[in-house]
Amino acid sequence: AQSVTQPDIHITVSEGASLELRCNYSYGATPYLFWYVQSPGQGLQLLLKYFSGDTLVQGIKGFEAEFKRSQSSFNLRKPSVHWSDAAEYFCAVVLSGNTGKLIFGQGTTLQVKP
Amino acid sequence: SAVISQKPSRDICQRGTSLTIQCQVDSQVTMMFWYRQQPGQSLTLIATANQGSEATYESGFVIDKFPISRPNLTFSTLTVSNMSPEDSSIYLCSVGGTSGYTGELFFGEGSRLTVL
Repeated sequence: AQSVTQPDIHITVSEGASLELRCNYSYGATPYLFWYVQSPGQGLQLLLKYFSGDTLVQGIKGFEAEFKRSQSSFNLRKPSVHWSDAAEYFCAVVLSGNTGKLIFGQGTTLQVKP
Repeated sequence: SAVISQKPSRDICQRGTSLTIQCQVDSQVTMMFWYRQQPGQSLTLIATANQGSEATYESGFVIDKFPISRPNLTFSTLTVSNMSPEDSSIYLCSVGGTSGYTGELFFGEGSRLTVL
């Protein structure tokens, strides 16, 4: 079955430290891949997306993600975390094509220590 | 992009009642979806809201429980019927871009329902 897995439910990092959030997907073809962030009481905001081409994509707020086909992964990274990055992060996929249906991972809660 | 407004932003409801959530988009969009986010959980797709026809529901969701209307390309409603405490969730409307679908969805801020 199609699925998206975020292995880490909760991650705590110190402010200024680097961050990597993991995402693995299970599909036959390469899907469209997304990372969304949900701050407390807020809607979802798109951080970045991958459709094709360069496997390293840059997003907003200093985030980047790398698509690795061999590992079926799309991990999110940030070199230096800020306290305002504390939020819930969701990896999501949609099958190539025009279905428009997003399948979300379970989410990773990021806590930032001062 | 698209700006999405949802009403109500939050509500407290009694068991057995129904509530209708509205989703208004500032421009015409072809794709519109409704998601549910239960407390502490991820988002689950309820249905695709089809303009001028019946919504397409995902497995586990039925029209009698979650009737959806979409009279035009800028507006949709989701009704949560005969509510129980298990329906306490955030319900989110999402849309594709205004220039056709590019793979990206935009989300409203959600409607937080608490059922007592």
